[in-house]
Amino acid sequence: DIQMTQSPSSLSPSVGDRVTITCRASQAIRNDLGWYQQKPGQAPQRLIYAASNLQSGVPSRFSGSGSGTEFTLTISNLQPEDFATYYCLQFFRYPYTFGQGTKLEIK
Amino acid sequence: QVHLVESGGTVVQPGRSLRLACEASGFSFNSYALHWVRQAPGKGLEWVAVVSFDGTNNFYADSVKGRFTGSRNDFNTLYLQMDSLTYEDTAVYYCVRETFDYSVRSSSFDYWGPGTLVTVSS
Repeated sequence: DIQMTQSPSSLSPSVGDRVTITCRASQAIRNDLGWYQQKPGQAPQRLIYAASNLQSGVPSRFSGSGSGTEFTLTISNLQPEDFATYYCLQFFRYPYTFGQGTKLEIK
Repeated sequence: QVHLVESGGTVVQPGRSLRLACEASGFSFNSYALHWVRQAPGKGLEWVAVVSFDGTNNFYADSVKGRFTGSRNDFNTLYLQMDSLTYEDTAVYYCVRETFDYSVRSSSFDYWGPGTLVTVSS
């Protein structure tokens, strides 16, 4: 199985900060990676697909990059509504595997 | 508009069985693979199973293999048959649509249902 190592597990940034979350795959997965945002009591929502493509309607302060084994999600100019938990997910091979999640908590 | 709505979650005793359903609407049901993803209370997301577009090519997480069976009918409903349930199966179960984007040649999960809670408790 492909292991997805996501870091950090939590962050306490301030509004306006720039945040970077990293996912590392245990083997190369091309660009078959997505980023998802989950707020308490809600289903996850797609932010980024194919590593760097922004979901329609998602603010441009979100961006994704990477290929192969190293991927990053960057949130620029953090807004109050961005405090949530973020997950990466690989689609290269079954079983699909999620990262452990990164929880952004208000400082 | 795409909608996925899960049902069937309840409290069930260990060792018993339960069947979840996911009613889909707003898209061509037989053209998409559908997945089950679960989330234990306070924990992260775990992929559980995929049911291929025609139901003939399904895969399961090791944690549920041999106990869970995914299926679908011709009436826009996805199922997850869960047998020999254990405490570790307690979770919110999400029904999720997989889409393939030909422009970037990659898959992703584009629509999620709101989830249904399964609690395994004696």
